[in-house]
Formats: sequence, structure tokens, C-alpha cells
Amino acid sequence: EDKVVQSPLSLVVHEGDTVTLNCSYEVTNFRSLLWYKQEKKAPTFLFMLTSSGIEKKSGRLSSILDKKELSSILNITATQTGDSAIYLCAVDSIPHYGGSQGNLIFGKGTKLSVKP
Amino acid sequence: NAGVTQTPKFQVLKTGQSMTLQCAQDMNHEYMSWYRQDPGMGLRLIHYSVGAGITDQGEVPNGYNVSRSTTEDFPLRLLSAAPSQTSVYFCASSTGQGRSYEQYFGPGTRLTVT
Repeated sequence: EDKVVQSPLSLVVHEGDTVTLNCSYEVTNFRSLLWYKQEKKAPTFLFMLTSSGIEKKSGRLSSILDKKELSSILNITATQTGDSAIYLCAVDSIPHYGGSQGNLIFGKGTKLSVKP
Repeated sequence: NAGVTQTPKFQVLKTGQSMTLQCAQDMNHEYMSWYRQDPGMGLRLIHYSVGAGITDQGEVPNGYNVSRSTTEDFPLRLLSAAPSQTSVYFCASSTGQGRSYEQYFGPGTRLTVT
């Protein structure tokens, strides 16, 4: 069965710390890996990764994919209280249940709390 | 642009009742999908559509129906509500390239079935 596993499930840090969130996956036919940030409501898109070893950056956030290790990391440097959220990793693949157009399989998320 | 809108924001149903969750987008996106989010379970795909008139099942389709008569609207129908359907429901849309690309999520509908 296809699955996406995120670790840790929750993390508490202080402002200014650097954090690394992990995502590993086992899917039948990998297409891409996506990171989302979810605050109180809907997830918002952060990154999409398709090529191994190429880092994507947006301000203090960056992410990289390792296709050999079937994993990705999301780094946040100089954390701020506004970074407190659930970070979701999702993998796009052909699903095990036979759907014709593929599926986004989400991990359970990492809840990040940044203390002042 | 309003983006992706969902109504209602909150709903309480009794077991056996039926209802429709509404979803609309004004970005002319071909791909739309419905997810449910349960504590400790992440987001799971219920149904999706790659264009008007075309729908397909996701990972957890049982108990739900969808239709896509226009590009803009993608309603989700609960046929006979059960307590197991208590969840937060998100609708999402993306470009015609499909779900591999950035998906825009609606604000969600929190449904409680008693």
C-alpha cells in the first residue's frame, strides 16, 4: 500500500531556531512530492519537487528531494512564531486502488510550534 | 478572484440525513477534488474530476457522490450520513495539468454527524 510518513509528528522550538522536517514515501509510481503549510484553515502550497538533488527555496524555507532514499526534507531557518503550523507532505502517484488519474497521498503532517 | 469557495462552513447532521457540500472556483481550473481530513489521518482523497462531465473515485469514495456539470462547480453529496463521516472536508482545484501542480484549497467545511 502506498504511504507517506512524516517525522516528527510534532515539534516545539524557540524563535530563531532552525528546524528540519522529514518526509519519506513508498509509492508505486512516483511523480512529484509537494509540501503544504496548514495554519487554521486550508493548506497552502509551498513547494513541488520532481527532480532529485535540486533545492527549492522561498525565503527562509527550503526543500530538497532524494529519490534514492525516497525522502524529502523541509528546512526552516531563523524560525518565527508565524511559522507555527502543520506542515503537510504529499506525494503524487498512480494509486494502489486503480484510479485512472493518480492521487495525492498525504502524510499525517508535522505540527510545528514556535515559542517566542 | 475569490479562489475556491465552500459552503457551508459548519454543518450538523443526524444519522441518515443527506446533504450537499458546495464547492466553486473562479480560476477556470480543470482539475477539482474533494478531501476529508481526520485527526491523525492526514488528508484523504474522496473524489476528483479532470473536467466538466468527468469524475473518478479517490481513496475513500464510499458514501459520497459527485458530479461536474460545469467547470466552476463540484458539489459533494452525502447520501445517508453516518457518524464515521464526521470530518473536515476540503475542496481543491488546480490547472489542467492535474494534481501534480499547485492545488488551491477552499476554507473547508466542518461536518458533524450525530
